[in-house]
Amino acid sequence: SQQGEEDPQALSIQEGENATMNCSYKTSINNLQWYRQNSGRGLVHLILIRSNEREKHSGRLRVTLDTSKKSSSLLITASRAADTASYFCATTGAGSYQLTFGKGTKLSVIP
Amino acid sequence: DAEITQSPRHKITETGRQVTLACHQTWNHNNMFWYRQDLGHGLRLIHYSYGVQDTNKGEVSDGYSVSRSNTEDLPLTLESAASSQTSVYFCASSPGTRMNEQFFGPGTRLTVL
Repeated sequence: SQQGEEDPQALSIQEGENATMNCSYKTSINNLQWYRQNSGRGLVHLILIRSNEREKHSGRLRVTLDTSKKSSSLLITASRAADTASYFCATTGAGSYQLTFGKGTKLSVIP
Repeated sequence: DAEITQSPRHKITETGRQVTLACHQTWNHNNMFWYRQDLGHGLRLIHYSYGVQDTNKGEVSDGYSVSRSNTEDLPLTLESAASSQTSVYFCASSPGTRMNEQFFGPGTRLTVL
């Protein structure tokens, strides 16, 4: 069964706006990762946040993690048309190398 | 540059045929994974391997098998292809560390008629 569930399923914004995607999961985790997938391509790792971290930044990306609510959010600031893609959260349990993916959020950034 | 490749990129086959999808990585990663991606389901784990001669079943392993005879390759075999196995298949690898970012191949689109 899927561990992560992203919300919303689809998001359409204007270039320059911020995009926020949310992820909820069910069981305790070791870390949570976000991946991007451009249409017809493989997934690309964006950022990893450990279970003992609350916030992490990478360029225009900001990820938060609330383990008490079993949720995470990905914020993309000042979005660009090139950010158009599907975004997936994935979780890893303690002692595991396996990732369990959510169903993804499809982001469209309109120029 | 190190990379992960999949072949073929597209495959059409008939029900009942055996099909093997290749995955090759040059990072010398211990861990390799196979996923399938279907609309409405995201990515689901089929099989994975933590090293040579090690293979494990994932969430949706029925009808699939893998073997790991060397570090670089993890071929995925559909023993008797079914229409329900029409999907996009992704291979991934990761080093055997706790910071387990996975590196994905470009995918294979398989159609079973």
